[in-house]
Amino acid sequence: KNQVEQSPQSLIILEGKNCTLQCNYTVSPFSNLRWYKQDTGRGPVSLTIMTFSENTKSNGRYTATLDADTKQSSLHITASQLSDSASYICVVTYTGGFKTIFGAGTRLFVKA
Amino acid sequence: NAGVTQTPKFQVLKTGQSMTLQCAQDMNHEYMSWYRQDPGMGLRLIHYSVGAGITDQGEVPNGYNVSRSTTEDFPLRLLSAAPSQTSVYFCASKYRQSSYNSPLHFGNGTRLTVT
Repeated sequence: KNQVEQSPQSLIILEGKNCTLQCNYTVSPFSNLRWYKQDTGRGPVSLTIMTFSENTKSNGRYTATLDADTKQSSLHITASQLSDSASYICVVTYTGGFKTIFGAGTRLFVKA
Repeated sequence: NAGVTQTPKFQVLKTGQSMTLQCAQDMNHEYMSWYRQDPGMGLRLIHYSVGAGITDQGEVPNGYNVSRSTTEDFPLRLLSAAPSQTSVYFCASKYRQSSYNSPLHFGNGTRLTVT
């Protein structure tokens, strides 16, 4: 069964600390994996995309990794800020790009 | 350039009522789609369109209708609202369905409550 699972469900960290969010998937054939950030009351916004041949990609304080062999991805946030408080959603596209599965998201709370 | 615009932002309906959720994009995207977001679950695809005049069902289409008469607009109609349709609805678009490395652009959602 094609699935995308994210962990943890929620996370509380202090401002300035680092954190890592996990995404495991079981889809085939894989096309790409994208991380979205969803602020409260807003729609998701793309942070980064990982294709099969990419292992690591950074976007400012966000660094995504992909291990296509184990079908795992992570999103590492460095020096967290209050504005990082949001849900982070892992989305996997497969079957030549015509199908997409959304993970349930990780809710991150950054406290001062 | 407003991106994807959804209206209304909030709506309360009684069981059995009908309504239309509006979605418009100004990016000349061919692909548009509707999702619902429920607590503890990933976004689920309701209906999608690959161009004006062409629509298709997604994962959870029952109880919803769509049409695409123009490239810009993709309204979602609830035919007879049920409490199970209480959810947050998102409209999203991208240039083409086949541009699978392009991100979806989302609206800010409509929070619907059916009593």
